[in-house]
Amino acid sequence: KAGVTQTPRYLIKTRGQQVTLSCSPISGHRSVSWYQQTPGQGLQFLFEYFSETQRNKGNFPGRFSGRQFSNSRSEMNVSTLELGDSALYLCASSLTGDGNTIYFGEGSWLTVV
Amino acid sequence: QKEVEQNSGPLSVPEGAIASLNCTYSDRGSQSFFWYRQYSGKSPELIMFIYSNGDKEDGRFTAQLNKASQYVSLLIRDSQPSDSATYLCASALGGGADGLTFGKGTHLIIQP
Repeated sequence: KAGVTQTPRYLIKTRGQQVTLSCSPISGHRSVSWYQQTPGQGLQFLFEYFSETQRNKGNFPGRFSGRQFSNSRSEMNVSTLELGDSALYLCASSLTGDGNTIYFGEGSWLTVV
Repeated sequence: QKEVEQNSGPLSVPEGAIASLNCTYSDRGSQSFFWYRQYSGKSPELIMFIYSNGDKEDGRFTAQLNKASQYVSLLIRDSQPSDSATYLCASALGGGADGLTFGKGTHLIIQP
């Protein structure tokens, strides 16, 4: 059974640019959540999608957005990058969104310079 | 503001002993609680979840929940060097789709 696939794994961007990260969930999983992990703030919830609809959103500025496609694949976008956006971005796949069925991908390491 | 607090450690435990990890949460509305293990450079891996007051055992792991004290703990029996990792405690208001609130983790070191 294939796991959660995130691409790209590593990327470097310049301040002011935008970035798009991709996540392919486990086959059959319809819920995809995104989290940001930094040494200072730890893991923080960005948003959750289920069947192409954003159901829940964390406390992040509007520069952070996402979407989910009909095949459950998801993308998140960060516009006007800031140095503080440097982080590990983790995608979590789940059957229903319940925490007891959440599986994390390996993450995308974003460095903003 | 929902918060989950953990002692950052490091917590050093001899091999074969019991490791005890604790966390407290601020939102009394939290219903679900999770323990994740994260090795350096890797993604978090769910090891236990608990919804009801009391103890829940799974192999060498026991999760304990006390909603009155807003306290969650994880016990690891017969600790192994492979248990050395950062342990993240998380809570959710519902089942988790509303987003997990994570603590910053406790770094556990099992000394051979």
